[in-house]
Amino acid sequence: EVQLVESGGDLVQPGGSLRLSCAASGFSLGSYAMSWVRQAPGKGLQWVSMISESGDNTWYAGSGKGRFTISRDVSKNTLYLQMDSLRAEDAAIYYCARRRLGQLSIYDYWGQGTLVTVSS
Amino acid sequence: EVVLTQSPGTLSLSPGERATLSCRASQSVSRRYLAWYQRKPGQAPRLLIYGASSRATDIPDRFSGSGSGTDFTLTISRLEPEDFAVYYCQQYDVPPQTFGQGTKLEIK
Repeated sequence: EVQLVESGGDLVQPGGSLRLSCAASGFSLGSYAMSWVRQAPGKGLQWVSMISESGDNTWYAGSGKGRFTISRDVSKNTLYLQMDSLRAEDAAIYYCARRRLGQLSIYDYWGQGTLVTVSS
Repeated sequence: EVVLTQSPGTLSLSPGERATLSCRASQSVSRRYLAWYQRKPGQAPRLLIYGASSRATDIPDRFSGSGSGTDFTLTISRLEPEDFAVYYCQQYDVPPQTFGQGTKLEIK
């Protein structure tokens, strides 16, 4: 059974850093592209970042470019999102999601999310 | 980026009724690269429809998707109690991929 479990969400001050984790089971991260998607309070879903199946390519939404870093550890089957220079507008529930096999960004499995709060 | 506007924001219906949810794009979504997801409180989002009209694995046939260009629709033919949730559309045609703000389907 495919499962994605996020962790690492916390209350952090503006300008602070946080690393989110997404533990995958039931499949190998080395075979799938993965994304982080977030939902701020009262807003819709927003794609944040993606890492390719090979791990060689990464993409970022403009809001996180230069501040966020997506990575993975295939041996631990865990996806990460390092978030630096956090801003109030980064507060959200962060979901990891598995992209279906192929090149299209259709997400067939999601985690339940981890909450990031940015406040002083 | 492509802005997806979902309507209505909230839809109040009774079990057994038909639900029609709309997703309008700010520019044409070619190749019908549009998906629909369902999210229930405290649960992970679930893929329902991709390619505008293809049902994902294990999705009941009461869920159907249609549309092209800038106007897309998710239809639930006869609502079951477990269908009351929030629904999101997503376009994956024009980078960056974008999502709608959601339609909440609530029990009347």
